[in-house]
Amino acid sequence: GAVVSQHPSRVICKSGTSVKIECRSLDFQATTMFWYRQFPKQSLMLMATSNEGSKATYEQGVEKDKFLINHASLTLSTLTVTSAHPEDSSFYICSAFTGFGGPNTEAFFGQGTRLTVV
Amino acid sequence: AQTVTQSQPEMSVQEAETVTLSCTYDTSESNYYLFWYKQPPSRQMILVIRQEAYKQQNATENRFSVNFQKAAKSFSLKISDSQLGDTAMYFCAFMKNFGNEKLTFGTGTRLTIIP
Repeated sequence: GAVVSQHPSRVICKSGTSVKIECRSLDFQATTMFWYRQFPKQSLMLMATSNEGSKATYEQGVEKDKFLINHASLTLSTLTVTSAHPEDSSFYICSAFTGFGGPNTEAFFGQGTRLTVV
Repeated sequence: AQTVTQSQPEMSVQEAETVTLSCTYDTSESNYYLFWYKQPPSRQMILVIRQEAYKQQNATENRFSVNFQKAAKSFSLKISDSQLGDTAMYFCAFMKNFGNEKLTFGTGTRLTIIP
């Protein structure tokens, strides 16, 4: 099946620094990718929809200046957490669809990135 | 906006038994997809089963099957002959039928299979 690769899997950074997380679709093109955040023992909350070649669409309450999304190619989307603070510590997951609404529509997920801000 | 509700935060069952996880949803859409995803301790999201709303027949995948009641907006997952590897968080999810649409997740059910 399709593969979505997310890197890094774990990152620890100091408060005030920025961290970049990459999400790649390895064997298919993804015009749209999604970024989720998951707090411990909770569900996945959509942060933003990343669109290739255009601006990302952010969910209500998500600071677009803090969580910068770039989708420069059909296989790569990046999430940059700027001026990270301890409250940004979380598990971040990306996903992309194949099938485009047809009978084989399926979302594939990256392995996730555990961000710890100290 | 769509909402997905999972009313069972935790469940446990003996190995080899059958367990049913509940999910209800609310939407004004007529065409949509419903999914069950599994998130094991590794936290990698894995698709368990998919149901297209226009299909009346319930989806099945080996030991996994769903009971899809469109009028009641209910989408339960049945796991037969449960195995230790089934221990995981299970999320019910909704997607509008337009492709490249976001998934709306339920709050999850933590399932533990007891040896």
